[in-house]
Amino acid sequence: AQSVTQLGSHVSVSEGALVLLRCNYSSSVPPYLFWYVQYPNQGLQLLLKYTTGATLVKGINGFEAEFKKSETSFHLTKPSAHMSDAAEYFCAVSDDDKIIFGKGTRLHILP
Amino acid sequence: DTAVSQTPKYLVTQMGNDKSIKCEQNLGHDTMYWYKQDSKKFLKIMFSYNNKELIINETVPNRFSPKSPDKAHLNLHINSLELGDSAVYFCASSPGLSSRLGYTFGSGTRLTVV
Repeated sequence: AQSVTQLGSHVSVSEGALVLLRCNYSSSVPPYLFWYVQYPNQGLQLLLKYTTGATLVKGINGFEAEFKKSETSFHLTKPSAHMSDAAEYFCAVSDDDKIIFGKGTRLHILP
Repeated sequence: DTAVSQTPKYLVTQMGNDKSIKCEQNLGHDTMYWYKQDSKKFLKIMFSYNNKELIINETVPNRFSPKSPDKAHLNLHINSLELGDSAVYFCASSPGLSSRLGYTFGSGTRLTVV
């Protein structure tokens, strides 16, 4: 079965600094990977997804992620953090007929 | 116009009661899901339906019964509510059976059992 591991349940960055949220996957087949964001008291919104092809995937709100097969990683980055980026971020993997989610990383933005 | 809508948004009820959560999607998707998010934010799939047919039924107590009257609706009925049922329940939908395209989620229903 496929799985993802998110490193760090909480990450704090200063406004304007680089955001880096780490995700490693385990998959017996070429993975389909996702990043979702959950703002307080809201549902999950798809930030970006990797299917096949280009390994650098651009998403909404200035986020991007790079698929690295050799490192089994799919880390999420944003060059410059904004206060509005404070939220819970979930890495996820397609496991045939369902999506398996990581445990989430809470991103805190420091003024 | 909300793509996946759930009602109610908040639900507070006493132990032992029976309650239902409704979900509707207007995306024309064939597959719908229920996920449970616990207090630690962990998301776990409960059920999925494809064109009114039950596809996934994870290890969920029999007190939980999903119903899909048509492919645009998936409701969740919970009998004899327990304290441990307190969580946020998310409905989601996808174009087909494969999860490779990702899901569209509703805004969630926060269930509190007292």
